[in-house]
Amino acid sequence: GDSVTQMEGPVTLSEEAFLTINCTYTATGYPSLFWYVQYPGEGLQLLLKATKADDKGSNKGFEATYRKETTSFHLEKGSVQVSDSAVYFCALNTGNQFYFGTGTSLTVIP
Amino acid sequence: EAEVAQSPRYKITEKSQAVAFWCDPISGHATLYWYRQILGQGPELLVQFQDESVVDDSQLPKDRFSAERLKGVDSTLKIQPAELGDSAMYLCASSLAIERRNTEAFFGQGTRLTVV
Repeated sequence: GDSVTQMEGPVTLSEEAFLTINCTYTATGYPSLFWYVQYPGEGLQLLLKATKADDKGSNKGFEATYRKETTSFHLEKGSVQVSDSAVYFCALNTGNQFYFGTGTSLTVIP
Repeated sequence: EAEVAQSPRYKITEKSQAVAFWCDPISGHATLYWYRQILGQGPELLVQFQDESVVDDSQLPKDRFSAERLKGVDSTLKIQPAELGDSAMYLCASSLAIERRNTEAFFGQGTRLTVV
């Protein structure tokens, strides 16, 4: 069935370090792919999205590229800040339903 | 900016009591979702509405949970009776019609339920 697999956390980085959070998916057809961010006690907020193969989504310094050949949508940021500390969820929309990964907790230390 | 409204933000209830959550989606969003999120995990779909119709409630524990979206706008999720294992964050989300694969889901701030 359709699903999303995310890199296990937690991830702890120093400020200004490079971030990669891996995400792979299984889906029939041509899903859209998303990254959401969740701060403590809050709902999920859309971070970025890509709707077709080779699209790059970007926002607030974060980027992810829709790779159909590797069924991946890895999240990257060149220089993380303390304010980026949160839980990140990879998700896909198949046209019938959204599927979410289990989340990756990121802590950035000064 | 339009938002998904949820209430209450926090709810503490005793086991075996009834509890209800309310959600008002973004205007014009045909699809409404209720998710349960246990701490440290991703959202788990409980029920999905298209307008006023349920399109997926396969993961809804129907012996104790019910959901309705009578006029195709706001929605209520009810638990009766609540059990200790129901303690979780309950998230409501909405989107344009789900068949539009490029549409994203917009989430409310959630209701944190604690059953004691």
